Amino acid sequence: AQSVSQHNHHVILSEAASLELGCNYSYGGTVNLFWYVQYPGQHLQLLLKYFSGDPLVKGIKGFEAEFIKSKFSFNLRKPSVQWSDTAEYFCAVWSNYQLIWGAGTKLIIKP
Amino acid sequence: KAGVTQTPRYLIKTRGQQVTLSCSPISGHRSVSWYQQTPGQGLQFLFEYFSETQRNKGNFPGRFSGRQFSNSRSEMNVSTLELGDSALYLCASSLQGYNSPLHFGNGTRLTVT
Repeated sequence: AQSVSQHNHHVILSEAASLELGCNYSYGGTVNLFWYVQYPGQHLQLLLKYFSGDPLVKGIKGFEAEFIKSKFSFNLRKPSVQWSDTAEYFCAVWSNYQLIWGAGTKLIIKP
Repeated sequence: KAGVTQTPRYLIKTRGQQVTLSCSPISGHRSVSWYQQTPGQGLQFLFEYFSETQRNKGNFPGRFSGRQFSNSRSEMNVSTLELGDSALYLCASSLQGYNSPLHFGNGTRLTVT
């Protein structure tokens, strides 16, 4: 069965620091990958997605992710974080009409 | 375009009761799926409907059921509530449900006492 691992459950950074959140999935075949974000008190929102093509995917709010097939990874990055990036970030993979979710990473940005 | 609407936003029920949650998808979206979110278990898939047909179901007991209407609106029902059913229940809609991004509602916060 497909599974998704997010390595860090909590990350604390200062504003302007660079961010990389790890995500690994277990399935070796064709995958469709997503990063979602949940800001405090808000609903889950799509940050970016990878279906095929360029493995470097750009999303909203300056986020990007790189799909590395050989490493089964889809890490999320942002060069310079802002206080408003404080949120919980979820990596997910599409499988059989459902999204399989990672446990999430709570990101806190110190002003 | 209006987003995914879930009602009610909050519910408090007692053990043994049943509850029905409602979800109105984005106009034109034919797939509706339901997820349970808890601090301990994270996000877990309940079921997915497309054109009134359930295409997949997660590993939840039969007390959890759902349906989809011809206008794509969906309901989820939980019978014989248990304390462990306390969670945020999220509904998501998408165009096709297969490989298309999900758009989430704000969820229904269910508390079972």
